[in-house]
Amino acid sequence: EAQVTQNPRYLITVTGKKLTVTCSQNMNHEYMSWYRQDPGLGLRQIYYSMNVEVTDKGDVPEGYKVSRKEKRNFPLILESPSPNQTSLYFCASSFGQGAYEQYFGPGTRLTVT
Amino acid sequence: AQRVTQPEKLLSVFKGAPVELKCNYSYSGSPELFWYVQYSRQRLQLLLRHISRESIKGFTADLNKGETSFHLKKPFAQEEDSAMYYCALSGHGGGATNKLIFGTGTLLAVQP
Repeated sequence: EAQVTQNPRYLITVTGKKLTVTCSQNMNHEYMSWYRQDPGLGLRQIYYSMNVEVTDKGDVPEGYKVSRKEKRNFPLILESPSPNQTSLYFCASSFGQGAYEQYFGPGTRLTVT
Repeated sequence: AQRVTQPEKLLSVFKGAPVELKCNYSYSGSPELFWYVQYSRQRLQLLLRHISRESIKGFTADLNKGETSFHLKKPFAQEEDSAMYYCALSGHGGGATNKLIFGTGTLLAVQP
């Protein structure tokens, strides 16, 4: 089944403890992206990647890192999480180097205390 | 600056009534406009995009460049249409196509 998977689905952590949220897609998509969803703010793009080893900042990249070493994987790294990073995170992918039809993962709910 | 505005957080209608979810955008070039939908306990998914000019699940949306709007419409709402709807914008050409800007979303509640 063609899909985008994220792990973990739920995570509670403490301030400053490094964490990684994994994202994987099996559709051979070139474009992948991370978003955070907050009440009243909708979805905001954190980082995106147009292909392996090609990444760029979205609108809210502060406090996050990404890497794209393989086409199928696009992990989101929080080196030193803070409470304002408590949010619902979505990974997405699309065919081609553009933000066209994006296929979304199920979401990861992160709580930083 | 690129911006997508959805003025209504909640739109409540009765089954069979017409629906219009408003979306206005701000973009200096030629935008690509999309509507995404998130049903309860499901993933966010593409509903339609303006370049395809198609009707999906009875919904249509017309890009009005003069009014910078991309409102989503359906003549007769169904209960299964209840969901969160997001309008989104991407630039056209070059690096501008790589970002997707979402509005804050409108929750559509269709009452029986």
